[in-house]
Amino acid sequence: GAVVSQHPSRVICKSGTSVKIECRSLDFQATTMFWYRQFPKQSLMLMATSNEGSKATYEQGVEKDKFLINHASLTLSTLTVTSAHPEDSSFYICSAPDRDGYTFGSGTRLTVV
Amino acid sequence: AQKITQTQPGMFVQEKEAVTLDCTYDTSDPSYGLFWYKQPSSGEMIFLIYQGSYDQQNATEGRYSLNFQKARKSANLVISASQLGDSAMYFCAMRDVYNFNKFYFGSGTKLNVKP
Repeated sequence: GAVVSQHPSRVICKSGTSVKIECRSLDFQATTMFWYRQFPKQSLMLMATSNEGSKATYEQGVEKDKFLINHASLTLSTLTVTSAHPEDSSFYICSAPDRDGYTFGSGTRLTVV
Repeated sequence: AQKITQTQPGMFVQEKEAVTLDCTYDTSDPSYGLFWYKQPSSGEMIFLIYQGSYDQQNATEGRYSLNFQKARKSANLVISASQLGDSAMYFCAMRDVYNFNKFYFGSGTKLNVKP
């Protein structure tokens, strides 16, 4: 089946630094990638939708300048958390529509200290 | 706007018994898709089953079946013959066909299977 590779799986960074999370579709072309955020014991909240070759669309309340999304190619979408703060600590996961439905990355657990 | 409701924060089931996880949804779109995902503690999202709004029959995938009642706007997941490995979070989700295929999740149900 379709695979989305997400890296890193875990990252710890210092407050004020930036962190880049990559999602790569391995055996299919992902013209769209959805980015979610999940706090402990809560549901996945859609943050933004990235589209190859165009600007990402952000959900209401999500800061565009803080969560930079780039969809540089048909197989790669990146989420950069800029000037990270402890409240940005969360589980981030991407998802791409494929032929049969949606394929999720394995998620990135971000801890900002 | 779409809305997915899962009213059971946690459920317990005895091993080998069946369990039903509830999901109701709200949408004004005539065409939509309903999904169930399993999320173990590792965080990955595992696709379980899909039901299209126009599908005449309830979806089944192995031990998973979806009790789709369109008039009641419910899409309950039934897991038969529960196994210890079924212990996880379960999310109901709906695809917004008219909004770039966005995917909206319910709040989830934590299932614990007891030996």
